[in-house]
Amino acid sequence: NAGVTQTPKFQVLKTGQSMTLQCAQDMNHNSMYWYRQDPGMGLRLIYYSASEGTTDKGEVPNGYNVSRLNKREFSLRLESAAPSQTSVYFCASSEESSRGSPLHFGNGTRLTVT
Amino acid sequence: AQKITQTQPGMFVQEKEAVTLDCTYDTSDQSYGLFWYKQPSSGEMIFLIYQGSYDEQNATEGRYSLNFQKARKSANLVISASQLGDSAMYFCAMSVVGSTLGRLYFGRGTQLTVWP
Repeated sequence: NAGVTQTPKFQVLKTGQSMTLQCAQDMNHNSMYWYRQDPGMGLRLIYYSASEGTTDKGEVPNGYNVSRLNKREFSLRLESAAPSQTSVYFCASSEESSRGSPLHFGNGTRLTVT
Repeated sequence: AQKITQTQPGMFVQEKEAVTLDCTYDTSDQSYGLFWYKQPSSGEMIFLIYQGSYDEQNATEGRYSLNFQKARKSANLVISASQLGDSAMYFCAMSVVGSTLGRLYFGRGTQLTVWP
């Protein structure tokens, strides 16, 4: 059981380039999330998807787009990367959207924008 | 607005001793959940323990327990019998029912170092 799988693990982009971070979960979870982690800042929510076909903005959505391709997959796209988007990105999923469901995280993508 | 505060940037504990990591939260909602996650140097986020705001008993999971004091709005993590493998960053997080569907608000973390 793989859980939550993110690709790639590392990526270096030049300012203005685009890329898509891929995420897939095999736990049949309804809810999926993208967080970013910056030094000393904890994790902040970028976008989330409560179910297939729905997406909503989180705390820091600017500069990002997402697609909930199906129940398993939730991708994050940077259309024109900026140095401020240098961060570690985590995809997560949860069984339901209630308060008691823990998030299951992928191993993260370390992105550097030069 | 929801807020999680972890006031200890770093903590040190000797192996086999107990350690308490502090977490306070701020919310006006009555129904919420509190989580602790561990992030070792390898970077993954590992779920440790959960406490619901209406749970009467403090949550326990093996060597982890959550000291929940609702009136003080604190949710401290207690690790008993520390092990070298407990050295990691620890995050406290909160979810609020009815806000954005169970999203988590994270604190800034506490770096725990266990020494022999």
